[in-house]
Amino acid sequence: EIVMTQSPDTLSVSPGERATLSCRASQTINSNLAWYQQKPGQAPRLLISGASTRATGVPARFSGSGSGTEFTLTISSLQSEDFAVYYCQQYNNWPPAFGQGTKVEIK
Amino acid sequence: EVQLSESGGGLVQPGGSLRLSCVASGFTFSNHAMSWVRQAPGKGLEWVSGISGSGRAPSYADSVKGRVSISRDSSKNTLFLQMNSLRAEDTAVYYCARHNSGWFLSFLDFWGQGTLVTVSS
Repeated sequence: EIVMTQSPDTLSVSPGERATLSCRASQTINSNLAWYQQKPGQAPRLLISGASTRATGVPARFSGSGSGTEFTLTISSLQSEDFAVYYCQQYNNWPPAFGQGTKVEIK
Repeated sequence: EVQLSESGGGLVQPGGSLRLSCVASGFTFSNHAMSWVRQAPGKGLEWVSGISGSGRAPSYADSVKGRVSISRDSSKNTLFLQMNSLRAEDTAVYYCARHNSGWFLSFLDFWGQGTLVTVSS
């Protein structure tokens, strides 16, 4: 069973700054990684699939990279609406597994 | 427009049962695998169960195996999760989510708003 580990647990960033979130898989998952955004009281929303493909309607300031076991989600210039919890998820092996989440908070 | 609408949550005593439903619209239901993902209060996301588009391949997390059963009715565009022998640790918001393909080794591209299950005496 693959374990997904995200870092850091909490990231404090000022609006307009860059945020870099990391996700590590316990074994290779190729590029079968998705990122989701969840705001308080809302369902998760797909941001990125295939490690780097933005979902429809996702702003270009969100970018994903990586393959194998190391992945990164970058938010180039944080907007107020981007403060949320972000989860990575692998879908290369059964069972699908989520990371524990990274909370991006206002500094 | 893709829509997923869950129902069936509520308060249940330990050892009790609940049946969750998720009505889908805006897409060809049988073309997509579906999953249930839960989130305990203040915690992260946990995949619970999934089923292929054809309905032939249900699968379960170890934490619920033997206590839950997933099914789908393509004639009603509805996904179900029958939960038995409920425990306090099953307390969570349960989300219905669509996979982007007919097989569940794929990402989740649409999510419902969730239904809250509370297991308590």
